[in-house]
This record gives sequence, structure tokens and C-alpha cells, in this order.
Amino acid sequence: NAGVMQNPRHLVRRRGQEARLRCSPMKGHSHVYWYRQLPEEGLKFMVYLQKENIIDESGMPKERFSAEFPKEGPSILRIQQVVRGDSAAYFCASSPGRGQGRDYGYTFGSGTRLTVV
Amino acid sequence: AQSVTQLDSHVSVSEGTPVLLRCNYSSSYSPSLFWYVQHPNKGLQLLLKYTSAATLVKGINGFEAEFKKSETSFHLTKPSAHMSDAAEYFCVVSDHSAGNNRKLIWGLGTSLAVNP
Repeated sequence: NAGVMQNPRHLVRRRGQEARLRCSPMKGHSHVYWYRQLPEEGLKFMVYLQKENIIDESGMPKERFSAEFPKEGPSILRIQQVVRGDSAAYFCASSPGRGQGRDYGYTFGSGTRLTVV
Repeated sequence: AQSVTQLDSHVSVSEGTPVLLRCNYSSSYSPSLFWYVQHPNKGLQLLLKYTSAATLVKGINGFEAEFKKSETSFHLTKPSAHMSDAAEYFCVVSDHSAGNNRKLIWGLGTSLAVNP
């Protein structure tokens, strides 16, 4: 089991370009969460998705950010027209479906470090 | 609303001495609590978790944490620090209040330095 796979590990974009971050959950996990870690801060929740559904996007900025988790393929976090303030580490986590009781587990990927120049 | 406070932003210990990283939480519900570790430029690794079973939780690499409801604390300890323990440690509470969306609420982290 390869765990949660995120790519790329490092991404450099110029201001105004688009950034696409990919996350493949663990085998058997149908829930994906995206978190952002700004320099010297803890992680902040962005969005929670199931296959083809956005369950909770309360942490997503209102503009330029979007996320999807299609029926086939990885989850994608998309940032349009990036600005310097988007520079951060973006982590993806996956978990089994609901109904697993309280003893669920989150498995995190290694993150994508986005640098906007 | 749930929140997490890590009481120390930096902790420095000598190799072989005990480690104590403090965490207090605020929760309206019976929380699930976690400690994660992040080594420089690496991903996040789960050290241990509390999910309403035994209040003393043992994790990997000799770490353990005790859930104390009366003190709303979940401090992380290790009897003897190793150089490889130097990293950033995050205390995390799971938000059960938001329609079972299970968002994780993160503390700001404690940077642990281990001196030879």
C-alpha cells in the first residue's frame, strides 16, 4: 500500500499562473481532505471531498481556489492566478468512509510545497 | 467551537532527558485527540491518538500522552529524548460538531530541539 501520494513535491509558479496539486488517497479510502500550512503555522482545513462530491469547503478561499475528486483519478486542488500569499505547503489526507466509528484514521501525504515567485 | 492551544512554541532538552510538550484543548463534545510529528521538509506522521478508549495512549518511538478531561489537557511525553526526535510537533483535535465532517483543528506547533 503506497499510502497517500501527492505530486508534485515542489511546485514553483510565477504570479498569475495556475497551480494544480494532485492527491491520490490510500487504497480503499474514499474521503479526501486538503489542508494548508503557512510558514510557521499549524495546518488549516480547506476542503473535504468524497468521490464526485464536495462535502465541506468552508476553509476554501472564496476566489481562485477549487477542488475536485472525480470518479476516476486523483483529487485535484486548483489555484488560479496565484499570488505570493499562496506560497505554502498543501497537505492531503485520506480516510475510510463514514460509519467507521470514532476510531477512524487520517493518513497524510508528504505535501506539495508551492512557491510563488 | 473546538480549539487547541500548544503552550510552548519551542522546547529544548538534552539528549537522554525527559520530553514534555503541553497541549490544552477546548471542545463541546467528547473529542478525538492526536499528536503528529513533522520533520524538516517532510510530511506528517501520526504519533498517537486518543479516541475515548484508555486515557493513557502509547504511540510510536516511545512517546505517550495522557488524556485528562478535568484539565482539558493532552500532554505528550517521552522518558528519554533522542537526537532524532528533533522536529515540529502538532496537537490536533477532531471536530465532531460540524455534521460529522471530522475536520481536524491544529495547534500552532511546538518545535523540539534536542541538544547533545
